[in-house]
Amino acid sequence: AQSVAQPEDQVNVAEGNPLTVKCTYSVSGNPYLFWYVQYPNRGLQFLLKYITGDNLVKGSYGFEAEFNKSQTSFHLKKPSALVSDSALYFCAVRDLYSSASKIIFGSGTRLSIRP
Amino acid sequence: GAGVSQSPSNKVTEKGKDVELRCDPISGHTALYWYRQSLGQGLEFLIYFQGNSAPDKSGLPSDRFSAERTGGSVSTLTIQRTQQEDSAVYLCASSLTDTEAFFGQGTRLTVV
Repeated sequence: AQSVAQPEDQVNVAEGNPLTVKCTYSVSGNPYLFWYVQYPNRGLQFLLKYITGDNLVKGSYGFEAEFNKSQTSFHLKKPSALVSDSALYFCAVRDLYSSASKIIFGSGTRLSIRP
Repeated sequence: GAGVSQSPSNKVTEKGKDVELRCDPISGHTALYWYRQSLGQGLEFLIYFQGNSAPDKSGLPSDRFSAERTGGSVSTLTIQRTQQEDSAVYLCASSLTDTEAFFGQGTRLTVV
């Protein structure tokens, strides 16, 4: 069974500052990790994913995420936040080598960027 | 179409009535997911279809909920004898076997 934890319900950052949204995971096999973003009254949009290889993956809108196997974490980062980054962010995981494995989402973190 | 399509976009129903929610996945996608999202909250997994395998129904909250996927394409989520706690946004997503999932815009269900 797999699970995802997003320990922060809300993250507040000033525009121009770096941001981090935390995510830790648990999976029995190898993890296949995702980040999604949800803007108000919109569907979920895919941001980035980690499968194998380089631990730092880059995605849409200048976001990146760092995979850390020893800490079972996959934190989302951006060097310089924009007000338009304000949204609800979800981390998700599935078992990489099991086609029967569903994608499980965390509880979400609301990111608020102040001007 | 190019994306996942869900219908209706909004549904208001009376308590005790049955409702059907429809999902048209991206053509060729073998996997299909249903999730439920209560107001501004996280995504609750409901059911997962993968190819011809038996669906993973482990997330269905009660036997009032069921889903089917006909011909490996369109899926219908049925809620019988709706209750007020069923009010939520129901999200459908599809993917190829080992890729990220793409989401529809959801169906907002309100039970009055």
